[in-house]
Amino acid sequence: QSALTQPPSASGSPGQSVTISCTGTSSDVGGYNYVSWYQQHPGKAPKLMIYEVSKRPSGVPDRFSGSKSGSTASLTVSGLQAEDEADYYCSSYAGSNNGVVFGGGTKLTVL
Amino acid sequence: QVQLQESGPGLVKPSETLSLTCTVSGGSISSYYWTWIRQFPGKGLEWIGYIYSSGSTNYNPSLKSRVTISVDTSKNQFSLKLTSVTAADTAVYYCAGAWISRLDYWGQGTLVTVSS
Repeated sequence: QSALTQPPSASGSPGQSVTISCTGTSSDVGGYNYVSWYQQHPGKAPKLMIYEVSKRPSGVPDRFSGSKSGSTASLTVSGLQAEDEADYYCSSYAGSNNGVVFGGGTKLTVL
Repeated sequence: QVQLQESGPGLVKPSETLSLTCTVSGGSISSYYWTWIRQFPGKGLEWIGYIYSSGSTNYNPSLKSRVTISVDTSKNQFSLKLTSVTAADTAVYYCAGAWISRLDYWGQGTLVTVSS
């Protein structure tokens, strides 16, 4: 049972936008602006796509964006491309006692 | 560009100790929170803990009694020890370089199977 709740799957056609949610509590997502999102292709290590809710590391396309409202964070992928098909995981800082918690992951399918 | 590489046994017997090492190249180990994460066969990710270059550590409360993370700055390596393993500890283990919760750099991962 993951600490953060994500939908198991999401899908969209090329060019469309899709949003993936990540729901936590006031002890993690709602309490800190330290939400990250990771993309994982099969057999590969996760890759950081978004950090501190909405910041993009260098090299990540601006088609990827993040936001947060209360205890729910969201990742939006705009202008879907075939290479965006992957698993996406959210994570959040959960305080010095609990460290970092992850969501269960969402499989994004590009139709 | 910082690169990380995990090494260690791929098979560990139940009740024994899992030991993995992560070698950091392309950057200094004297910064960052050096972190271990694992991914279960069903895909879920679990944060195990981290060590800062100063030696301070923070562990997942659910694993705290069994986990030790250490760092060897002279070798640019950090290590994981997980004691009293069971089949539930079977997973792909990743090492990562992080700034607190932001996992910037990841190793390729190593599968550890717990079985007799």
